[in-house]
Amino acid sequence: AQKITQTQPGMFVQEKEAVTLDCTYDTSDQSYGLFWYKQPSSGEMIFLIYQGSYDEQNATEGRYSLNFQKARKSANLVISASQLGDSAMYFCAMREAPWGGNQFYFGTGTSLTVIP
Amino acid sequence: KAGVTQTPRYLIKTRGQQVTLSCSPISGHRSVSWYQQTPGQGLQFLFEYFSETQRNKGNFPGRFSGRQFSNSRSEMNVSTLELGDSALYLCASSSLPTIPQETQYFGPGTRLLVL
Repeated sequence: AQKITQTQPGMFVQEKEAVTLDCTYDTSDQSYGLFWYKQPSSGEMIFLIYQGSYDEQNATEGRYSLNFQKARKSANLVISASQLGDSAMYFCAMREAPWGGNQFYFGTGTSLTVIP
Repeated sequence: KAGVTQTPRYLIKTRGQQVTLSCSPISGHRSVSWYQQTPGQGLQFLFEYFSETQRNKGNFPGRFSGRQFSNSRSEMNVSTLELGDSALYLCASSSLPTIPQETQYFGPGTRLLVL
């Protein structure tokens, strides 16, 4: 089974509007971390936001927020007030507890295009 | 604080050759992970090093190897290159790999083209 599932290969959003990128995950661990990264065409993976499995509040970082629904095992990224520079690939990732092996599991990514 | 650096940024090789890629983690970070990214397979984990020891390895053939030095810098080596090895190779570092919330920070990657 896939550890991380991103079902939206591509998304379009109008500039200044909000957009939600979906992510579901699969784990039997109680302790895990969820991350979102942005990858522009240059290739570098840029860390955006983190949510811990024990965090009761949804994480926020500027225009980014993470809609964490633990029972549904979803960790959707919300980008508010989209900007042209937000056009990029977005990856959802999960790290499980250390005894599960120290590696990140990445989804297949969502390509976001912001339209002027 | 300087970010993760990778050298070289671009590389062109021919089939059968070998290649060595280098990664310098963020100062103070002792864990380095390597990933291969291709359009067809996405991001795939290669291996992770912590304190000069390989802790975890992905499902790649033995042609892919790595090591980590005492200053936490890491190298990965691919021998007998194949066309399918053409990819973006990303290195990531973190300071405390033993807790799930520890973030990995990525370098700019090395784009390898095998002809």
